[in-house]
Amino acid sequence: GAGVSQTPSNKVTEKGKYVELRCDPISGHTALYWYRQSLGQGPEFLIYFQGTGAADDSGLPNDRFFAVRPEGSVSTLKIQRTERGDSAVYLCASSLSWVTGELFFGEGSRLTVL
Amino acid sequence: AQTVTQSQPEMSVQEAETVTLSCTYDTSESDYYLFWYKQPPSRQMILVIRQEAYKQQNATENRFSVNFQKAAKSFSLKISDSQLGDAAMYFCAYRNTGTASKLTFGTGTRLQVTL
Repeated sequence: GAGVSQTPSNKVTEKGKYVELRCDPISGHTALYWYRQSLGQGPEFLIYFQGTGAADDSGLPNDRFFAVRPEGSVSTLKIQRTERGDSAVYLCASSLSWVTGELFFGEGSRLTVL
Repeated sequence: AQTVTQSQPEMSVQEAETVTLSCTYDTSESDYYLFWYKQPPSRQMILVIRQEAYKQQNATENRFSVNFQKAAKSFSLKISDSQLGDAAMYFCAYRNTGTASKLTFGTGTRLQVTL
């Protein structure tokens, strides 16, 4: 596609449920990033993929969060046993080259945990 | 760890006027990248301008320019001839060079543009 696509745009769930957020990067971009943006804050890094492997997952807050990118394209962020504190906008970005550093962002998935 | 600070939660500018958004950062690295991103209500982060630390010349993109002061670790954004479409959240961001390509963002400045 022309840009980074994220689905769903909005997700409302109940505390304790499992959710999956999907990111479809720009075609040909090998690097993919997940960020979390809480209300009134800047985006916070979660995880970075180079190809299929997670090159840096140091931003994942705990073991309830997991992300995969099995074929080096689409990525899924998985959150188990959701908590109210997980409510945020989850942004995905992709990049053609880690050298230039320019990231192209999607419009994010807003997660609300009731 | 690197940190990015934006001390202006909100700024306002009249249409056609000039406004400057401030950003400071902390790092022990000598080579890195700095960015300004714009986030409209659509939530999509849009790159406005970037600066490589090894370049002394300040970056310019049309009405947007930066004042990069490496010794002071300051990276301000100047928007000239402000337009209504410039109204958005603006985030300053830092990235090291090298393969660990994560961006570190500030908390943002909300820019209002008035008639």
